[in-house]
Amino acid sequence: DSGVTQTPKHLITATGQRVTLRCSPRSGDLSVYWYQQSLDQGLQFLIQYYNGEERAKGNILERFSAQQFPDLHSELNLSSLELGDSALYFCASTGITGGTTGELFFGEGSRLTVL
Amino acid sequence: EDQVTQSPEALRLQEGESSSLNCSYTVSGLRGLFWYRQDPGKGPEFLFTLYSAGEEKEKERLKATLTKKESFLHITAPKPEDSATYLCAVRRDGGSQGNLIFGKGTKLSVKP
Repeated sequence: DSGVTQTPKHLITATGQRVTLRCSPRSGDLSVYWYQQSLDQGLQFLIQYYNGEERAKGNILERFSAQQFPDLHSELNLSSLELGDSALYFCASTGITGGTTGELFFGEGSRLTVL
Repeated sequence: EDQVTQSPEALRLQEGESSSLNCSYTVSGLRGLFWYRQDPGKGPEFLFTLYSAGEEKEKERLKATLTKKESFLHITAPKPEDSATYLCAVRRDGGSQGNLIFGKGTKLSVKP
């Protein structure tokens, strides 16, 4: 158990809809990262938050947004969903030193299916 | 363009049959090369970090090595429980902590 909790584990929705994925990082970790994993693209970095503030952006679509709340949990909002958004969405967290060594602690992911 | 390529895509081994997985990379200023293990339905699990050419790290039956262009994950006398997808990732100079570029992975199957 990595200590990172993600909900829901599975989500099925229709095109055009909006969903919210939730992540609770390891106790004490200030950094939260969101990754998307699809069969053809592999794991792709989306966005990072540190102590409530956006720190870095990757290949995140404009239809997607995220935030980190004062209790450090984070939410990834996906809107106007398309078939191609079907993927596994992972949240990861690090402590102060974890980011330097590259040791990300990943949750078990949220599998999104868009029909 | 920064890129990580892993080969082979899939590898089947008999228990005890040693082999190596390859990760080749092109990145503007390497700030670390990382190996992760991913089991089906799970998130990736950290294995190793390598920072400079010539560096080696070991953990049980796994040994990771790094050159200026590629990394190898050597698996010695594998067991069925080593079956998983092994992911390689790099962080480039100027990249934020945790902003890693991942390869697509090598799916390893070890048969008893």
